[in-house]
Amino acid sequence: KAGVTQTPRYLIKTRGQQVTLSCSPISGHRSVSWYQQTPGQGLQFLFEYFSETQRNKGNFPGRFSGRQFSNSRSEMNVSTLELGDSALYLCASSLKGEYEQYFGPGTRLTVT
Amino acid sequence: GQQVMQIPQYQHVQEGEDFTTYCNSSTTLSNIQWYKQRPGGHPVFLIQLVKSGEVKKQKRLTFQFGEAKKNSSLHITATQTTDVGTYFCAGPDSGGYQKVTFGTGTKLQVIP
Repeated sequence: KAGVTQTPRYLIKTRGQQVTLSCSPISGHRSVSWYQQTPGQGLQFLFEYFSETQRNKGNFPGRFSGRQFSNSRSEMNVSTLELGDSALYLCASSLKGEYEQYFGPGTRLTVT
Repeated sequence: GQQVMQIPQYQHVQEGEDFTTYCNSSTTLSNIQWYKQRPGGHPVFLIQLVKSGEVKKQKRLTFQFGEAKKNSSLHITATQTTDVGTYFCAGPDSGGYQKVTFGTGTKLQVIP
């Protein structure tokens, strides 16, 4: 079975721009979660989607948004980028009702 | 909100020495998972513990879930350079559904 894929793997953006990151979960996994990882803050939960519905949201500003499509693929969007948004963005998928998270390789976002 | 802390934050060991990381949750957990993230990589699921007092082994790794289901530990016997990485514990968030709260992580460095 193919693992979780994320595109793009690396991204450089300028302050004020917006960015869209994509995640394809493992086949059959309908829960998709997004995390932000920075050296100082560890793994911070952004949001979790299941069947195209956002079920959980972390403590991030409204500039961070996401969505899930009917095929379980998910995207997250960050608008009006700030320098502090530079991080590794990880997507993880799970089977329905399971807590085990299977992570993709991540998207490394650098904001200059 | 729910907090999951790990100690120590960093650990340097000589190859062949043992290593232990401890995980403490502010709330009782129905289960706990452990993940390993190699440098430059993404978190990889290692194991899940469900029962109070449960102990599981994977070769040189021993995982334990506390009796009160609020703490857990990971012990590595005779560390090897391949054990280098950051170890995270994680548990279901009290917010519901499949939201998972990750611990602060313990970064292990093995000196050959």
